[in-house]
Amino acid sequence: AQSVTQPDIHITVSEGASLELRCNYSYGATPYLFWYVQSPGQGLQLLLKYFSGDTLVQGIKGFEAEFKRSQSSFNLRKPSVHWSDAAEYFCAVGPNNAGNMLTFGGGTRLMVKP
Amino acid sequence: DSGVTQTPKHLITATGQRVTLRCSPRSGDLSVYWYQQSLDQGLQFLIQYYNGEERAKGNILERFSAQQFPDLHSELNLSSLELGDSALYFCASNREGARGETQYFGPGTRLLVL
Repeated sequence: AQSVTQPDIHITVSEGASLELRCNYSYGATPYLFWYVQSPGQGLQLLLKYFSGDTLVQGIKGFEAEFKRSQSSFNLRKPSVHWSDAAEYFCAVGPNNAGNMLTFGGGTRLMVKP
Repeated sequence: DSGVTQTPKHLITATGQRVTLRCSPRSGDLSVYWYQQSLDQGLQFLIQYYNGEERAKGNILERFSAQQFPDLHSELNLSSLELGDSALYFCASNREGARGETQYFGPGTRLLVL
């Protein structure tokens, strides 16, 4: 069965500092990988996705992620964090053989210090 | 704004009761997904519909059911509610429900069972 692990439950960074959120997946084939962000009281917004091709993908709000097959990782990065980036971030993989649903990691809550 | 709407935003009810959550997908989207986000289980896929037909089922309890109507809106029915059903319920949609196709999430319905 496919699974997604986000090892860091909470991360605190200073505004202007760089950010890396970790994501490891377990999947039996070439994965489709996603990063979503959830702001307080909001739904999930897609930041970026990887299907194939270039392993470094660019997303919205200045985020990027790198797919590393050898490490089964899809880490999210941002060179300079803004206070408005404080939110919860979810890595997801999909689909499995049974359909097109997403399997989510447990999420990483990002706090930004002024 | 993803274009996916969910009503109501909040719902408070008692154990043993039944509630209906409603989702309107983005214009032109044929596929609807339901997810549950709870503190102990995280974000879990419940069920997917495509053009009125059930396409995939996840960890959906027998007390829960869903349907998609001819106008493509979907309803999630939760019955014999228990305290543990308290959660945020998300609906997502996409055009074809194809493998890896981006899912667009609504703002969610927060259910509190007392």
